[in-house]
Amino acid sequence: QSALTQPASVSGSPGQSITISCTGTTSDIGAYNHVSWYQQHPDKAPKLVIYDVTNRPSGVSDRFSASKSGNMASLTVSGLQADDEADYYCASYTTTGSLVFGGGTRLTVL
Amino acid sequence: EVHLVESGGGSVQPGGSLRLSCAASGFIFSNFWMNWVRQAPGKGPEWVAIIKPDASGTHLADSVKGRFTISRDNAKNSLYLQMNSLGGEDTAVYYCVKDIGYKQFDHWGQGTLVTVSS
Repeated sequence: QSALTQPASVSGSPGQSITISCTGTTSDIGAYNHVSWYQQHPDKAPKLVIYDVTNRPSGVSDRFSASKSGNMASLTVSGLQADDEADYYCASYTTTGSLVFGGGTRLTVL
Repeated sequence: EVHLVESGGGSVQPGGSLRLSCAASGFIFSNFWMNWVRQAPGKGPEWVAIIKPDASGTHLADSVKGRFTISRDNAKNSLYLQMNSLGGEDTAVYYCVKDIGYKQFDHWGQGTLVTVSS
């Protein structure tokens, strides 16, 4: 199973919005609505920010939103704050019952 | 509050074995699927293994199948990963993670580092 494709980096200024794309196939993103997104700060464990394509866990800011169309999922972070600077990973359940992650996107807040 | 605390990591020579443990608290452990996810230095996470709430079934990633075994003891609120025939490609931080369905993980431990090197 190949990794999902994400841009290596994105950046934005405080207060702006950014979108991170995550491209898969008909065997993962395109097959199920079980796409999740994780935020990871340096030397910390990943943190779930989105599950089942669009749902935010309790305690996650509503500045985080996400969507899916076909084989591509997207995460939008609005009203950028300094603490949003982190690595972001998408992940999708697959038709083989496995899980595939994206390669990760480094978000820089300018 | 959910807590997942891994232990058992360390340095091991190629071909060696290690057993990781995870102590869970703050939730009804026996109700949830549990997983191990690893992350090699500078790389993205990689799902490794999952086990059903009652331990009646497991599923492992192809990269570890035949070498790793996942197990649990619900009486002790503990999750385990037995790793055999370790190679350099297994060097990573190993996380114990709680599953909310379809391999989506709402709580992660702090991780334990496994280094395979001669």
